[in-house]
Amino acid sequence: DAGITQSPRHKVTETGTPVTLRCHQTENHRYMYWYRQDPGHGLRLIHYSYGVKDTDKGEVSDGYSVSRSKTEDFLLTLESATSSQTSVYFCAIGGASSTDTQYFGPGTRLTVL
Amino acid sequence: QQQVKQSPQSLIVQKGGIPIINCAYENTAFDYFPWYQQFPGKGPALLIAIRPDVSEKKEGRFTISFNKSAKQFSLHIMDSQPGDSATYFCAASWNNNDMRFGAGTRLTVKP
Repeated sequence: DAGITQSPRHKVTETGTPVTLRCHQTENHRYMYWYRQDPGHGLRLIHYSYGVKDTDKGEVSDGYSVSRSKTEDFLLTLESATSSQTSVYFCAIGGASSTDTQYFGPGTRLTVL
Repeated sequence: QQQVKQSPQSLIVQKGGIPIINCAYENTAFDYFPWYQQFPGKGPALLIAIRPDVSEKKEGRFTISFNKSAKQFSLHIMDSQPGDSATYFCAASWNNNDMRFGAGTRLTVKP
């Protein structure tokens, strides 16, 4: 998985609790992304980062926040988890050019009860 | 509204067959069209990609056909094998920060 790890790999939590997912890369890529994958929707971009402390919103950012304090780590936080945020979350790394490949991590399966 | 529409949702072929997966897009600003392959429990992995100035690209048994005027592109898998059984996603982007994915096609290749 191209030097990308995600933790935890599985998590079950309750509605209203905060959740933080971590993405760690060893490739020194400038760009990092968080996607969610749901049946019938493919993958949808939540947030991305183009450098330390530089982040921006994606297609489905409501209810999520991100932080990047080091090049290698990109955190996704659900401040107050809802059942609609039950999903598989993938981190990806890549370059700035539109033809740069995005490499995906192994994913985190999150269940919000 | 999904900007990239993918069909079919699922596809079953016999070994040696040629499955074809189709995608259509609306945004003419898209300039990069990758296909990703995903096995259960794994993240998607880039399979092959094309730019709109090319009508066809082949890599091994995988071919992308691109029709710019129709805003459609498709993936063909020649001599398909059981090991090709996976979910395939088409995608489109106009910069690497905003990649839109199709809903996915689950391919099963029977021995």
